[in-house]
Amino acid sequence: GAGVSQSPSNKVTEKGKDVELRCDPISGHTALYWYRQSLGQGLEFLIYFQGNSAPDKSGLPSDRFSAERTGGSVSTLTIQRTQQEDSAVYLCASSPQGVMRETQYFGPGTRLLVL
Amino acid sequence: AQSVAQPEDQVNVAEGNPLTVKCTYSVSGNPYLFWYVQYPNRGLQFLLKYITGDNLVKGSYGFEAEFNKSQTSFHLKKPSALVSDSALYFCAAGSYSSASKIIFGSGTRLSIRP
Repeated sequence: GAGVSQSPSNKVTEKGKDVELRCDPISGHTALYWYRQSLGQGLEFLIYFQGNSAPDKSGLPSDRFSAERTGGSVSTLTIQRTQQEDSAVYLCASSPQGVMRETQYFGPGTRLLVL
Repeated sequence: AQSVAQPEDQVNVAEGNPLTVKCTYSVSGNPYLFWYVQYPNRGLQFLLKYITGDNLVKGSYGFEAEFNKSQTSFHLKKPSALVSDSALYFCAAGSYSSASKIIFGSGTRLSIRP
């Protein structure tokens, strides 16, 4: 079946512009996660959606970052007024029930470059 | 606070030799542990996990990992490395006694030379 998809695969933007990154999770998965992978760094947790519960936003690095998940499926991560330090690969993952010991299924990522 | 350490940024092994990628963790209570692999320009793929039960866990592509509670380690191993095993490997940990998210290590780049 189809896996997690993300778009765009690459995004180049100018400092100060806003960007939107999209994630389509595996159909039927109730949990969706966003991570950031910077060069030489591990995966940094950003935000977690679980069904209709309020999202866990504890990993968002600043108020320039926000995310929403419409209809319990597609999610959009928005970065406002991008900065050069936002350059990274943004990974989305989904899991069936959102129990943390479940396997997470990752998309290919969006590589963001802020000039 | 939970943490995961992968002490080696890079591991180099000759094809056919055994390989080990190290991981140690710090969580409160009983852990659950994962290994994921990332091939170039791809997302992470699940390799194996320890939830409970046998300390030796077998996973995809001939990999295995041993949960060692006393040493708080979960090292990834393979008896005979292949060039195609070259990738970036991430260890991750969570805790049954905490509802918090799993934590990923910083990754280890495994390079297998022919």
